[in-house]
Amino acid sequence: DTEVTQTPKHLVMGMTNKKSLKCEQHMGHRAMYWYKQKAKKPPELMFVYSYEKLSINESVPSRFSPECPNSSLLNLHLHALQPEDSALYLCASSPWTSNAGELFFGEGSRLTVL
Amino acid sequence: RKEVEQDPGPFNVPEGATVAFNCTYSNSASQSFFWYRQDCRKEPKLLMSVYSSGNEDGRFTAQLNRASQYISLLIRDSKLSDSATYLCVVNPKGFQKLVFGTGTRLLVSP
Repeated sequence: DTEVTQTPKHLVMGMTNKKSLKCEQHMGHRAMYWYKQKAKKPPELMFVYSYEKLSINESVPSRFSPECPNSSLLNLHLHALQPEDSALYLCASSPWTSNAGELFFGEGSRLTVL
Repeated sequence: RKEVEQDPGPFNVPEGATVAFNCTYSNSASQSFFWYRQDCRKEPKLLMSVYSSGNEDGRFTAQLNRASQYISLLIRDSKLSDSATYLCVVNPKGFQKLVFGTGTRLLVSP
């Protein structure tokens, strides 16, 4: 079983909805990540938090808004999404903050935007 | 040229076979290298890190060739449960941004 927990596992939302994806880890990792994965494609990095501060934003549209309330939690707030945003959203954590090595992924939240 | 390139496969092999995947990377200054495994509709999981001296974990052997800028994964005595997509992952700059290859799909049949 993964030690990174993501909720919800599945989410269907309309283009005008506001929803949030949640991620939690209790491994004491200080780096947390959001990735987006489309079918038959590799994961694409969206955001990285180090010590609860945003360290990388891969030019993600503002309709995706990350938040790191504390060292164990990571949220991704969603608003006014487009159908092409439908994908698997993966949260990951890493014990390394300066040199990414091992990533521990959650099972993902499968998002469908209608 | 892509930063990390893999043959997408699929590689179809019978149980018990030995199979090898290669992955090439473009940035000669890349710092660290990994193989991840991803089952269908599941999350990626770290299979092994790849060290300069090569490393082995049971039936799996990873090698790094810095001169030719490729890494390899060898799987011996393939099992049905090895069927998955194998992702080559490179850290090109020693920071937090890993670069994932597109993955190589392996199908092991009885």
